[in-house]
Amino acid sequence: GEDVEQSLFLSVREGDSSVINCTYTDSSSTYLYWYKQEPGAGLQLLTYIFSNMDMKQDQRLTVLLNKKDKHLSLRIADTQTGDSAIYFCAENGAGANNLFFGTGTRLTVIP
Amino acid sequence: DAGVIQSPRHEVTEMGQEVTLRCKPISGHDYLFWYRQTMMRGLELLIYFNNNVPIDDSGMPEDRFSAKMPNASFSTLKIQPSEPRDSAVYFCASSPRGVGYQPQHFGDGTRLSIL
Repeated sequence: GEDVEQSLFLSVREGDSSVINCTYTDSSSTYLYWYKQEPGAGLQLLTYIFSNMDMKQDQRLTVLLNKKDKHLSLRIADTQTGDSAIYFCAENGAGANNLFFGTGTRLTVIP
Repeated sequence: DAGVIQSPRHEVTEMGQEVTLRCKPISGHDYLFWYRQTMMRGLELLIYFNNNVPIDDSGMPEDRFSAKMPNASFSTLKIQPSEPRDSAVYFCASSPRGVGYQPQHFGDGTRLSIL
């Protein structure tokens, strides 16, 4: 089946940029997503990118997609303490009716 | 619009008891998913439904787990008998479609503790 991998932890200082990386194996993915999970809450959709795009920017968030290397990243500019959370990438393989989630990256923002 | 609603938010029960988790998906969403999240195994898909019909239950850990969707606005996940290793956060999610742009919307989860 599809394999989506992320590093488990990332620490950054408040005000710096954060880059969370994700690799996936299914080259037929059409949409890729980033979700944020705050403590005690469910996963919240942050942003997404269509597979024919290389980059998408949404305020402080920048998504980069390297389809050749099957690599997805999420950059958070001017990281704030409120950005501390677990971030999941997810993709839908062709013909699949469900999403495949990564392991999640726990982002800790140091004041 | 109301999001995905799960109940209860927390459940603490003794080993061997039956546990029933409930979910109300977003109105108009055709797909409903049940996930389990633990520190050790991360987020696992247990089962999903399309138009109230179970499509893939390969993630259901064993026969003690069962899920139903009697109508478009309600689903249950039942564990009988429960065991301590079932302790986890269980999430329900729904999405409007299964192909193309298909963001899943998650409930806040049920935190289950089996003593």
